[in-house]
Amino acid sequence: QQPVQSPQAVILREGEDAVINCSSSKALYSVHWYRQKHGEAPVFLMILLKGGEQKGHEKISASFNEKKQQSSLYLTASQLSYSGTYFCGTDRTAGNKLTFGGGTRVLVKP
Amino acid sequence: GAGVSQSPRYKVAKRGQDVALRCDPISGHVSLFWYQQALGQGPEFLTYFQNEAQLDKSGLPSDRFFAERPEGSVSTLKIQRTQQEDSAVYLCASSLIQGHEQYFGPGTRLTVT
Repeated sequence: QQPVQSPQAVILREGEDAVINCSSSKALYSVHWYRQKHGEAPVFLMILLKGGEQKGHEKISASFNEKKQQSSLYLTASQLSYSGTYFCGTDRTAGNKLTFGGGTRVLVKP
Repeated sequence: GAGVSQSPRYKVAKRGQDVALRCDPISGHVSLFWYQQALGQGPEFLTYFQNEAQLDKSGLPSDRFFAERPEGSVSTLKIQRTQQEDSAVYLCASSLIQGHEQYFGPGTRLTVT
């Protein structure tokens, strides 16, 4: 079942903060976050695993609440380059297919 | 090193034609995934390989879709007798081992006319 992302869209001024949420109805092994710009490949941002392990880019932070099957991605002091569509992908079976949410469109304005 | 590459980047096919889409994963990556992405949607899983073994093909929409990875590196997604509903971007991703992050290629945009 597809995870639910919120909000669907957000507009920020450069330097502002935002939070993107991803919620699943099923127990998860891991949550993956990607950013995709128009016409380009999704770019890996962060992986959060059951048990607390995380791996990702230094400037990106995220959390994973295993009990609630929820993850949040934090965009702090946003830059113009943060614009794009953010997808969370959930993995229930330890390393196989990802099920992606519908995406959150982020626009950062000067 | 080089990332995941896919070819062709764009493909226009007439309804009923067969197409073959190629994916070159990152060297040494054991796992390879194919996803289909419709306009404005998130990617949807098609199939997954670990080395040359196809471990999950539950997302292939019909028996017109076939994927292979005969030597455990390059993979080909073949679509037979293409239909208009097959129009989408087909993304390939690879990961070092099972459970690790996946790196995506630029995709092949397939348009069936």
